[in-house]
Amino acid sequence: EVQLVESGGGLVQPGRSLRLSCEASGFTFEDYAMHWVRQAPGKGLEWVSGISWNSGSIGYGDSVKGRFTISRDNAKNSLYLQMNSLRPEDTALYYCAKGNTGYSYANSPFDYWGQGTLVTVSS
Amino acid sequence: SYELTQPPSVSVSPGQTASITCSGDKLGNRYACWYQQKPGQSPVLVIYQDTKRPSGIPERFSGSNSGNTATLTISGTQAMDEADYYCQAWDSSTAVFGGGTKLTVL
Repeated sequence: EVQLVESGGGLVQPGRSLRLSCEASGFTFEDYAMHWVRQAPGKGLEWVSGISWNSGSIGYGDSVKGRFTISRDNAKNSLYLQMNSLRPEDTALYYCAKGNTGYSYANSPFDYWGQGTLVTVSS
Repeated sequence: SYELTQPPSVSVSPGQTASITCSGDKLGNRYACWYQQKPGQSPVLVIYQDTKRPSGIPERFSGSNSGNTATLTISGTQAMDEADYYCQAWDSSTAVFGGGTKLTVL
């Protein structure tokens, strides 16, 4: 059974940093692209970032480009999101999601999702 | 930037067919996916590559994509299908989601 467990969320002041983690199990993590998708309270889904199986292909949504960094550690079956210069509009539930291909993060659906970790940016 | 437009809400009677549309420029030239999200739960992929159903998704869910519009069709809609539905496509290596459609079964 595929499981994705996010952690690292919490309350943080504007301008500060936070690092999210996603621990994966139930599939061969190193074979698949991975993504972060967020959902602001009461709002829709927004893609944040994606990374290919070997970290050779990485992409970001326009709203986080230059502030967020995605990475992965295949030896630890883990995905990360380093979030710097946080803004109130970054407040959201952050989901870790699995792509169904590996070689590129793009052009694949998100076939499994975690339960999410809540990030609140407020003074 | 690329945009996908969905109706905010759709209503359907139990046992009837629900259709949810997703519009975008030349969307038919891209693959469309659909996700179902029930209150307090994570999204679930119900259709990918326009028409394919992941394992475990009931046959009453189907999809199509042509021209500027992708459509999610739910035949014989059940009360358990009441949820928010999001379409999604890729544009220049960026994933784009529609704004979501709340399906009400009444």
